[in-house]
Amino acid sequence: QKEVEQNSGPLSVPEGAIASLNCTYSDRGSQSFFWYRQYSGKSPELIMFIYSNGDKEDGRFTAQLNKASQYVSLLIRDSQPSDSATYLCAVTRLSNFGNEKLTFGTGTRLTIIP
Amino acid sequence: ETGVTQTPRHLVMGMTNKKSLKCEQHLGHNAMYWYKQSAKKPLELMFVYNFKEQTENNSVPSRFSPECPNSSHLFLHLHTLQPEDSALYLCASSQVSGSNEQFFGPGTRLTVL
Repeated sequence: QKEVEQNSGPLSVPEGAIASLNCTYSDRGSQSFFWYRQYSGKSPELIMFIYSNGDKEDGRFTAQLNKASQYVSLLIRDSQPSDSATYLCAVTRLSNFGNEKLTFGTGTRLTIIP
Repeated sequence: ETGVTQTPRHLVMGMTNKKSLKCEQHLGHNAMYWYKQSAKKPLELMFVYNFKEQTENNSVPSRFSPECPNSSHLFLHLHTLQPEDSALYLCASSQVSGSNEQFFGPGTRLTVL
């Protein structure tokens, strides 16, 4: 079983609709959950993180976490063509030194159709 | 320069060559990371340095040799690589404690012939 699983896509969503990206993880000790966006040929950039069960909203983005189901999702409202990218889910547990070791999924490629 | 910079951006090398990748962070962070990103595979953590001390080696072959002379600079020395080592090598930095958000550099696209 992969540590972090994501549907590789591509996921196609019409402009203006809600894009829903899902991620499951295997380590119940995971403590923090991150969504990174990676444009083609570019490096990942952090767009959301969540630590507690429930929803966290930031602008058009909402992260949802359910630790009992080991499931984290990212919703993008009012999708724009500029949202077309690969979205990487990452989970962490604290290392012995206080910083977090990120384990990434393979990413979901999202395409917003104008 | 701001953020995390990496040089070179592209590198082509033969299997017998020796080369080095360089990373520099201008964010005042005290942790630095090397990741490998291959096609259709997840980002793989290779090495972690906290306060310029190596704290993580994720079973990386010895043909990859990291060096961290200070908290702002990180190198990855390469020698006798294999074609399967061709990938995007990403450097990242963060604070050791508090907000652990990792900021990534633009990466070095490495091709081993």
